[in-house]
Amino acid sequence: SQQGEEDPQALSIQEGENATMNCSYKTSINNLQWYRQNSGRGLVHLILIRSNEREKHSGRLRVTLDTSKKSSSLLITASRAADTASYFCATSLIQGAQKLVFGQGTRLTINP
Amino acid sequence: EAGVAQSPRYKIIEKRQSVAFWCNPISGHATLYWYQQILGQGPKLLIQFQNNGVVDDSQLPKDRFSAERLKGVDSTLKIQPAKLEDSAVYLCASSYTSGGFYNEQFFGPGTRLTVL
Repeated sequence: SQQGEEDPQALSIQEGENATMNCSYKTSINNLQWYRQNSGRGLVHLILIRSNEREKHSGRLRVTLDTSKKSSSLLITASRAADTASYFCATSLIQGAQKLVFGQGTRLTINP
Repeated sequence: EAGVAQSPRYKIIEKRQSVAFWCNPISGHATLYWYQQILGQGPKLLIQFQNNGVVDDSQLPKDRFSAERLKGVDSTLKIQPAKLEDSAVYLCASSYTSGGFYNEQFFGPGTRLTVL
């Protein structure tokens, strides 16, 4: 079963607007990571947030983590056409080795 | 630094045939992962190596899939015999482990397998 579930499954916005994607998970985690996948560059790591962190920024990306609600959100500000891609959250569980469990992803389309 | 290398990039085979994929991780990365990504889904971990030892292979269909990392560097993933449902992209990733903390994973370009 999927640990992470992204919402929405697909999102289409105009260039320059902000995009928000959400991820919910079921069991306690060590950290949560967001990845981007497009045909040109494959699967690329964007940001990692640990279970004791609540918010993290990287350039135009802002990630929040609410462990009480078992949820995370990824905000992309001032979107660009190059942000068109699928975005996946991946959770690393506390027990055992570093095993990332990916969600189904959100397909983001930025319209010019 | 050079990224994760994978070959071949594409492979088309008939069902019941065998196929092998190769991966060379980033130099110095002790942890290597193989994922299967079916169209429209997120990657699913098949097997994880720490150096040349298997850490997790709970989702590897061991009746047909096998993987090895003999010298703790490059790795091969084999499917024998292939089924139609094995059509997917096979991704290899590696990561650097420091002080017991795992970090981001770096992914290769993947091998797109089509089973006819």
